[in-house]
Amino acid sequence: EVQLVESGGGLVQPGGSLRLSCAASGFTFSSHWMQWVRQAAGKGLEWVSHINNDGTDTRYADSVKGRFTVSRDNAKNTLYLQMNSLRAEDTALYYCVRDWYGVDFWGQGTLVTVSS
Amino acid sequence: DVVLTQSPLSLPVTLGQPASISCRSSQSLVFSDGHTYLSWIQQRPGQSPRRLIYKVSNRDSGVPDRFSGSGSGTDFTLKISRVEAEDVGVYYCMQATHWPPYTFGQGTKLEIK
Repeated sequence: EVQLVESGGGLVQPGGSLRLSCAASGFTFSSHWMQWVRQAAGKGLEWVSHINNDGTDTRYADSVKGRFTVSRDNAKNTLYLQMNSLRAEDTALYYCVRDWYGVDFWGQGTLVTVSS
Repeated sequence: DVVLTQSPLSLPVTLGQPASISCRSSQSLVFSDGHTYLSWIQQRPGQSPRRLIYKVSNRDSGVPDRFSGSGSGTDFTLKISRVEAEDVGVYYCMQATHWPPYTFGQGTKLEIK
């Protein structure tokens, strides 16, 4: 059974940092591109970042470029999102998503709240 | 960036009746390999999103055959042949042809009349 379990969310002050993790199981993690997608409360879906299967290619939404860094450890079957210089508008549920012809399987999400 | 425009944004449907959602793209979604990377995603209340359809018309595993996708170029449609209570939620189209970024439609909220 495919599973993606996100963790690391929480309450952080503006300007602070958080590191999200996503533990993958039930599939060959190293064979898949992975994405982070976020959803603010009551809003739609917003793509955040992409990483290819071996971690050599990363892409970011303009809204997070220069502040967020995506990485992966294929030996640990884990995806990461390092988020720095957080802003109130980064408040959202962050989903780890497997990529296969686009966004395929979604985790349950981890909530990030940026507030003083 | 590619803009996906869905209509309607609200869709009240009687149980057992069909439903249709349109998704129009600001540019053709045909990739250089000849494939069209347009997906449909369902988000039931309080749940994570779930993909239903990929590459315009291919159903994901476990998706009931009452869901179907069609279209080409810039115009796409998700159809539900007979709406059931479990179909309530928000439906998004998403493109992975011209990226970054992957982009989503605004979402269509399906409710039971």
